[in-house]
Amino acid sequence: GIQVEQSPPDLILQEGANSTLRCNFSDSVNNLQWFHQNPWGQLINLFYIPSGTKQNGRLSATTVATERYSLLYISSSQTTDSGVYFCAVPAGTYKYIFGTGTRLKVLA
Amino acid sequence: DGGITQSPKYLFRKEGQNVTLSCEQNLNHDAMYWYRQDPGQGLRLIYYSQIVNDFQKGDIAEGYSVSREKKESFPLTVTSAQKNPTAFYLCASNVGGIAKNIQYFGAGTRLSVL
Repeated sequence: GIQVEQSPPDLILQEGANSTLRCNFSDSVNNLQWFHQNPWGQLINLFYIPSGTKQNGRLSATTVATERYSLLYISSSQTTDSGVYFCAVPAGTYKYIFGTGTRLKVLA
Repeated sequence: DGGITQSPKYLFRKEGQNVTLSCEQNLNHDAMYWYRQDPGQGLRLIYYSQIVNDFQKGDIAEGYSVSREKKESFPLTVTSAQKNPTAFYLCASNVGGIAKNIQYFGAGTRLSVL
């Protein structure tokens, strides 16, 4: 089945720093989502991005489907950005496969 | 507001006991899902349902059961056969096939064994 790998597994930043999170997948996909899981466990959809680039405030994402990777950029990080970032891709019609996540901690 | 409501937030299970986690959505979504998350890990699919009265096993269905009698509701029962139930359980839904649809999540239920 399709494999999803995320890097780095852990990241510590000072407030105001920029970062890039990566998601590699082993097979072609027609959908990719980025999620943020806050410290209380709530998963929030950040981007639905099967290809191309999208921006939402300080966050942006780029998916290069032909090369099987997606990047999530966080600029001017804030302490509220802390948590775990997951990417997820379809495995069949009704299943998602989630990566193992990148755990981000932003220090004040 | 539209969304997914999971209850309770915290649940404790005694050995040999079955417990049921509730998941209700008012998004009019056809597909619903249950995931398990262990500390420091990603999400693993337990069960999913595409339509009412139909559901499919995910990757770790053993020791769990579900029902889908109403479009809005997809309860998960953790049975006594699940020997290691302590985890964070997340319910999700989306409009239909996932090819072009965003998945939305509830706030989760933390289950612990007494």
